[in-house]
Parts: sequence; structure tokens; C-alpha cells
Amino acid sequence: QKEVEQNSGPLSVPEGAIASLNCTYSDRGSQSFFWYRQYSGKSPELIMSIYSNGDKEDGRFTAQLNKASQYVSLLIRDSQPSDSATYLCAVKTSGTYKYIFGTGTRLKVLA
Amino acid sequence: NAGVTQTPKFQVLKTGQSMTLQCAQDMNHNSMYWYRQDPGMGLRLIYYSASEGTTDKGEVPNGYNVSRLNKREFSLRLESAAPSQTSVYFCASSEAHTENYGYTFGSGTRLTVV
Repeated sequence: QKEVEQNSGPLSVPEGAIASLNCTYSDRGSQSFFWYRQYSGKSPELIMSIYSNGDKEDGRFTAQLNKASQYVSLLIRDSQPSDSATYLCAVKTSGTYKYIFGTGTRLKVLA
Repeated sequence: NAGVTQTPKFQVLKTGQSMTLQCAQDMNHNSMYWYRQDPGMGLRLIYYSASEGTTDKGEVPNGYNVSRLNKREFSLRLESAAPSQTSVYFCASSEAHTENYGYTFGSGTRLTVV
């Protein structure tokens, strides 16, 4: 089992819809969770971080964390074609350098 | 503009050649990292520097060396390039090594070893 798993996609959603991206992780000691967006040929860009169970909202983005079930998700409301990118989930264990990335989910927002 | 600067952006090497990838950040971050990104493999940590004067191995250090020249600069050296080192290399920095900070990435170096 991979330490951080994401469905590679592509996940296709129509413009204006909600895109839901999911990530599961195996290390129960994980403390910090991050979502990065990576456009094709570009570097990853941090868009959200979450540390506590529940929801965290930032504009059109909502991160959801459930430590008991070991999953973290990212919701993108009112999806736009400019949201089309690969979304990387990253998980970090507190007190260590261990920061593991998933392989990413490719999102396509159809105009 | 503040951020992480990597050079070069593209490089083609012949097997056995050596080269150094340069990275500099101007955000006064303590920690710096080198990752490689390969299709289907995600980002994998090669080496990191928790603070100036320290360096440590990550997941895939074989075939690489690093130097933390000062707080701003962290270089990655390939002593004898191999085709398996064909990849996209990203440098990243963060405020602190073990705290819960995200990374700022450089724009990447696309390396091809033939």
C-alpha cells in the first residue's frame, strides 16, 4: 500500500460544478495535510493546509480532514476551466522531515 | 520577486557527465529541499537541509550530492549522470523543518540524460 494514495484521474467536471478530490494516507502519526496545484509543465503551488479534523474553507476551496478514517479531501466550488491542473496531496508527520506526496489527481474542468 | 530560483531550466547531459543544479531562495527560510518528479512516481525527496550547515538524505539520495552554501543557497550535484536520473528536479524551501509549514517550490529543472 502506498503511503499517500490519490486517484490519478482524469476527473472531469463541467464548469460551475463542484470538484471533489480525495486522498488517503497510511501513517496514523500524520499531523499536517496539504493540497498543491500543479499546472502542466509548472511547479507545485500550495493552495490549502489543514491540521484538525473537520472543514477548512478558503474562497472556493474547502479542505476536509478525517483522521479516524485517514482521508483528506479538497472541494472546489464553482469550478472554472482555469482550475484544470493536477492536484497533489501531501502528508507530513510532526517532528520529522517526512513529507510524503501522492502522485496527484488530474482535474479537467469542461467549459 | 520573492521566491525560489532554480538554474538551469533545461539541461541535456551525456551519460557519465557531471553537473550542478543551483537553487537560491530570498524568503529567509531555514529549510531547503531537493525533489525529483517522475511520471507515476510523484515527488520524491532526494536530500534536504533542515538549517544552514546541515544536510541529510531523503528517500532517493543515491547518485547525488548536495551543498548548503549559505542560508540562501542549496545546490544539487550529479557526479556521473545516468539515464535513470532523467527527471524534473524541484528545489523547495520552508520556514522550518519539523513544523507544519508548506513548501515554496522553484520553477524546476528538466534534465535529460542520454
